[in-house]
Amino acid sequence: EADIYQTPRYLVIGTGKKITLECSQTMGHDKMYWYQQDPGMELHLIHYSYGVNSTEKGDLSSESTVSRIRTEHFPLTLESARPSHTSQYLCASSEFGSGGENNSPLHFGNGTRLTVT
Amino acid sequence: AQKITQTQPGMFVQEKEAVTLDCTYDTSDPSYGLFWYKQPSSGEMIFLIYQGSYDQQNATEGRYSLNFQKARKSANLVISASQLGDSAMYFCAMREGGSGNTPLVFGKGTRLSVIA
Repeated sequence: EADIYQTPRYLVIGTGKKITLECSQTMGHDKMYWYQQDPGMELHLIHYSYGVNSTEKGDLSSESTVSRIRTEHFPLTLESARPSHTSQYLCASSEFGSGGENNSPLHFGNGTRLTVT
Repeated sequence: AQKITQTQPGMFVQEKEAVTLDCTYDTSDPSYGLFWYKQPSSGEMIFLIYQGSYDQQNATEGRYSLNFQKARKSANLVISASQLGDSAMYFCAMREGGSGNTPLVFGKGTRLSVIA
């Protein structure tokens, strides 16, 4: 089973606060991702990383930042929370593909449900 | 343009019956992978099944099978002998490129409700 952990599970915070959502995995995966998902809706890619000191922007990256200083850790920071950030944030990891393989599935954490008041 | 299209926002199926969830995709890359995930109301994402673009046979995993029609660019999920625990959101996703090193793109999902 996948070992990927997200904290906190739930967070209620006021507008304008700076918040960091934590994500850690113990599988040694090089690739890590952050997705945003409103309830019952599609997942939108925010940021991803292919390894230490590597970060890339997804479709919804403009209001957040990430860092990848250690393989196992991939935190997401919102500098100034807004009510529009209210959503579920899902962290995932996967192995690198090799030899033309596309078949590495994403292993997801349980998510952080963020409410900004 | 949407890379993954799931046209069924919601589906109902009787317990013990089979159900097909539709997924079409759009890519010009000859190498790609297709994934299905299940998301129960608790929110976690559970990987179900994978189909590679060069795979000759349809993928199967227990009660899940993938009806892969490459020419039509469709990758429908078939769940046989539905159970009440199958009630969930189901997402189709695609990864393009031969290296396997691009992010997954997800469809909008289909909500499946299994009726006793």
